[in-house]
Amino acid sequence: EVQLLQSGGGFVEPGGSLRLSCVASRSTSARFAMAWVRQAPGKGLEWVSTIDYNGGTTFYADSVKGRFTITRDDFKKTLYLQMHSLTVEDTAFYYCAQVSWPTHFDYWGQGALVAVSS
Amino acid sequence: IVLTQSPGTLSLSPGERATISCRASETIGDTYVAWYQQKPGQAPRLLIYRTSRRATGIADRFSGSGSGTDFSLTIAGLEPEDFAVYYCQQYGNSLWAFGQGTKVEIK
Repeated sequence: EVQLLQSGGGFVEPGGSLRLSCVASRSTSARFAMAWVRQAPGKGLEWVSTIDYNGGTTFYADSVKGRFTITRDDFKKTLYLQMHSLTVEDTAFYYCAQVSWPTHFDYWGQGALVAVSS
Repeated sequence: IVLTQSPGTLSLSPGERATISCRASETIGDTYVAWYQQKPGQAPRLLIYRTSRRATGIADRFSGSGSGTDFSLTIAGLEPEDFAVYYCQQYGNSLWAFGQGTKVEIK
């Protein structure tokens, strides 16, 4: 069983920065690729970023490339999403998810709201 | 690749069969299609992966099929807890994408 516990959401002004965290609790010490998926209020799911199992390769949606950075600290079992130059279009619930490489997302965090507003 | 789901909303009664379509803008490998269920205020839940494989703990009334550009999710006999939003998802060329979602609502 895998549990993903998220933290770090909140309110930020346009142009600001925020970092999301996602701590994994697993019955195995194996490492897995991880991802961030977001959902604007009342809208559908949008893939944001993926990091491979050892952090060596990262992938980003065009909408966040150059502004968001995905990283992982396997010692702390924590996934991060550093977000810069936030705009109102980035307002969404952000979910971390474990990637069953490379095809789908098999476990999800509870979500964290990022609200960008002046 | 763009995924287009249809219909946008499906109004059905408990016990009825639901079929949701997911059409890709270009051919997808069969191993790369998944389906998720999302209820209000909850995170998505994996239902189907690799087109037709049920995730752990998913009831056998859920099934997936398809190939090429056309994929579908079928719920054989809707239970009250199945009324939710469903998303298809695909992977290709180091990118992941979701369909826009289909809401299955009680008629």
